[in-house]
Amino acid sequence: KNQVEQSPQSLIILEGKNCTLQCNYTVSPFSNLRWYKQDTGRGPVSLTIMTFSENTKSNGRYTATLDADTKQSSLHITASQLSDSASYICVVSGGGGFKTIFGAGTRLFVKA
Amino acid sequence: GAGVSQSPRYKVAKRGQDVALRCDPISGHVSLFWYQQALGQGPEFLTYFQNEAQLDKSGLPSDRFFAERPEGSVSTLKIQRTQQEDSAVYLCASSPDPGHNNEQFFGPGTRLTVL
Repeated sequence: KNQVEQSPQSLIILEGKNCTLQCNYTVSPFSNLRWYKQDTGRGPVSLTIMTFSENTKSNGRYTATLDADTKQSSLHITASQLSDSASYICVVSGGGGFKTIFGAGTRLFVKA
Repeated sequence: GAGVSQSPRYKVAKRGQDVALRCDPISGHVSLFWYQQALGQGPEFLTYFQNEAQLDKSGLPSDRFFAERPEGSVSTLKIQRTQQEDSAVYLCASSPDPGHNNEQFFGPGTRLTVL
């Protein structure tokens, strides 16, 4: 079964600290993997998108990694800010018209 | 407009009532998606349009759910005889390219509460 699993379910960190969120998937065939940030009451906003051949991509303080062999991805947030408090959703798409599968998300709380 | 807009932002319906949710995608975007997001969960796919054609409606949970995009731009998701389990946020997304595999731009969602 095609699945996307994220961990941890929730995370609390202090402002200024770094953190890493995990995403494991079993989607096959694989086309791309995206990380989205979803603020409370808003729609998801794209952070990064990676294809099979890419193993790292950065967007400011956000760095995503992809290991297509082990089917794992991570999102690293550097020097966290209060505004990073949100849900982070891992999304995997497959080729051949396959639907996009969303993970349940990791809820990040950044405290002062 | 600059982004995807949805209306209403909030809707409260009595069980059994029909509702219609509107999505205005980014102008010129070929693809339009509807998702249902339960509290604390990721979005779940409902249906996909390429221009005015509904190419995939496999995620619609029952025949009470109906979506249309008659002119290939604005889309409406209609839910007939609403039930309490329909309470969720309904997200619309659009993409400039056809297919599921491209970056999608999301609207703010419509939060539906069925009493």
